[in-house]
Order: sequence, then C-alpha cells, then structure tokens
Amino acid sequence: DIQMTQSPSTLSASVGDRVTITCRASQSISRLLAWYQQKPGKAPKLLIYKASTLETGVPSRFSGSGSGTEFTLTISSLQPDDFATYYCQQFNTFSRTFGQGTKVDI
Amino acid sequence: EVQLWESGGGLVQPGGSLRLSCAASGFTFRNYAMNWVRQAPGKGLEWVSGISGSGDSTYADSVKGRFTISRDNSKNTVYLQTNSLRAEDTAIYYCAKPPDVYNNYFDYWGQGTLVTVSS
Repeated sequence: DIQMTQSPSTLSASVGDRVTITCRASQSISRLLAWYQQKPGKAPKLLIYKASTLETGVPSRFSGSGSGTEFTLTISSLQPDDFATYYCQQFNTFSRTFGQGTKVDI
Repeated sequence: EVQLWESGGGLVQPGGSLRLSCAASGFTFRNYAMNWVRQAPGKGLEWVSGISGSGDSTYADSVKGRFTISRDNSKNTVYLQTNSLRAEDTAIYYCAKPPDVYNNYFDYWGQGTLVTVSS
C-alpha cells in the first residue's frame, strides 16, 4: 500500500501568515492527490484535487502543487476560518490512503 | 443538491455486528462508486471500503474478511455490514462520493454515524 506522510503534524500560525503543509507519498502517484479541510465535529471538505485544481467555491488563497511523491498545500494569507486540520489523500490506487493530518492552530 | 445520510451506528460489544446504511439523493446513484471512510476519536481519516456502480468492491486490509460493502441501486443506498467488531473499529463512519467514475477522491461526504465497540 502507498503510505502518505504529512508534515508538520501541528502548525502554529497567526492570521495573515503564509502557511505550507507538505505531503509525501511512499511511491509515485503522479498528480493523483487531493487535499481536505476538516473542522471539529464536521465531515471533511474537499479543497483541491489532482494536486493543484481548486474545488469550486474554495477561496483562491488555497493552492496546491507537486507531482510524483512530494506535494504541498499553501494558504497564502491565513484567515480565522482556516484554523482546522488538513489531510492529503492519494487516489492512484484502489486503496485510497490519507495522510495523518496537519492541525493548523493559533 | 447532493445529500448523503448515514445511519445504523451505535454501541456494540466486541465480536458483535452492525449494519451501517447511507442513503443518497441529488445525483444518479447507480452511476457512482460509493465509499466508507472512518475516523477514530481524535485520530485521522482511514478509507475503509468502496463499491463501484456495478458492485465491484475493495477493502482496507484492516477490515478485509470482517466488513462487507453492498448497495441497492433501487433504494439509492449503500451498506456496510460490520462483523467481528473490535475496540479499534470504534470510529465515526462517513459515506463519501467521488466526483465521477474515473477519480477516487471525494467531493461529497455525509455527516457520519458513530460506532462504539465496548463491553
């Protein structure tokens, strides 16, 4: 199975900061990666798919990049609504695997 | 509007069984694969199982042989039969839909149903 490793696990930031989260795959997944945001008590919300395509309705301060085994999610200017946990997910194989999550807090 | 509504969770003893259901609306159900993803308390997301529109199924190694996914396209519902439950199966179970037949990420999620395995 493909393993997904996110870093950091926790990130302390302030409103207005530029934030970058990294996701590494144990083998190449081309650009078959998605990013989700999850807030406490809520289901995950799709932000980005195919490594860099923004889901409809997601603010443009979110962006994704990467291919192969290394990917990044960037929030260009952190807003109060962005404090949440972020997950990457590979969909290169039938066994879809998630990263362990990155909590963005104050 | 796409809606997914899970039900069937609850408290069950180790070794017990539960059948989870996910009722779908707002899209042509038979054309889409459906998936179950779980989240243990305070932990990350874990894909559990998926089923194609025609009924082909796949499972995570952690549940293979114990869980069975199925669907009833006439009722727009996907099921997850969970048997031989263990404490480590305690989680919120989400139903999740992909955007199309070619891609296995999830653009819609249900609100989840909680399964607690405890004596």
